[in-house]
Amino acid sequence: DIQMTQSPSTLSASVGDRVTITCRASQSISSWLAWYQQKPGKAPKLLIYKASSLESGVPSRFSGSGSGTEFTLTISSLQPDDFATYYCQQYNSYYGTFGQGTKVEIK
Amino acid sequence: EVQLLESGGGLVQPGGSLRLSCAASGFTFSSYAMSWVRQAPGKGLEWVSAISGSGGSTYYADSVKGRFTISRDNSKNTLYLQMNSLRAEDTAVYYCAKGFADILTGYYAFLFDYWGQGTLVTVSS
Repeated sequence: DIQMTQSPSTLSASVGDRVTITCRASQSISSWLAWYQQKPGKAPKLLIYKASSLESGVPSRFSGSGSGTEFTLTISSLQPDDFATYYCQQYNSYYGTFGQGTKVEIK
Repeated sequence: EVQLLESGGGLVQPGGSLRLSCAASGFTFSSYAMSWVRQAPGKGLEWVSAISGSGGSTYYADSVKGRFTISRDNSKNTLYLQMNSLRAEDTAVYYCAKGFADILTGYYAFLFDYWGQGTLVTVSS
């Protein structure tokens, strides 16, 4: 099975900061990677798919990059609405494995 | 507007059974793979099971294989998850999630563009 590892687990940042979250796959997944945002008590929301494609309606301050085994999610200027937990997910197989999540909290 | 509405969660004793439902609207239900994804309290997301648009192909996580059965009724636009031999570690919020495409098109079926609000399953004596 493909394992997904995110870092850091928790990130403290301020409004306006540039934030980067890393996701590593245990084997190559090409660009079959998605990023989701989840707020407490809510369902996850798709932000980015195929490593760098922005889902419709998602603000352009979110961007994704990478291929193979190393991927990043970047928020160019953190906004109050962005404080949440972010998950990466691989879909390079007939199942979908999620990373353990990165909580972005207010510094 | 795509809507997914789960129901059927609740408190069940270890070894018991429960059937979850997910009513879908706002898209051509039979054209898309559907999945169940769960989240234990305070924990991350875990994919549980998926089914093709026709219902002819099903997939399970090792943790639930042989105990859970996914199915769908395309005439009712409804997805199901039959959960048997429940364990304490199955306690979680269960989300139904729409695949980006059908399994026939490949891995996009396991990319989830819409999610329901979730239903809580608690396995405890």
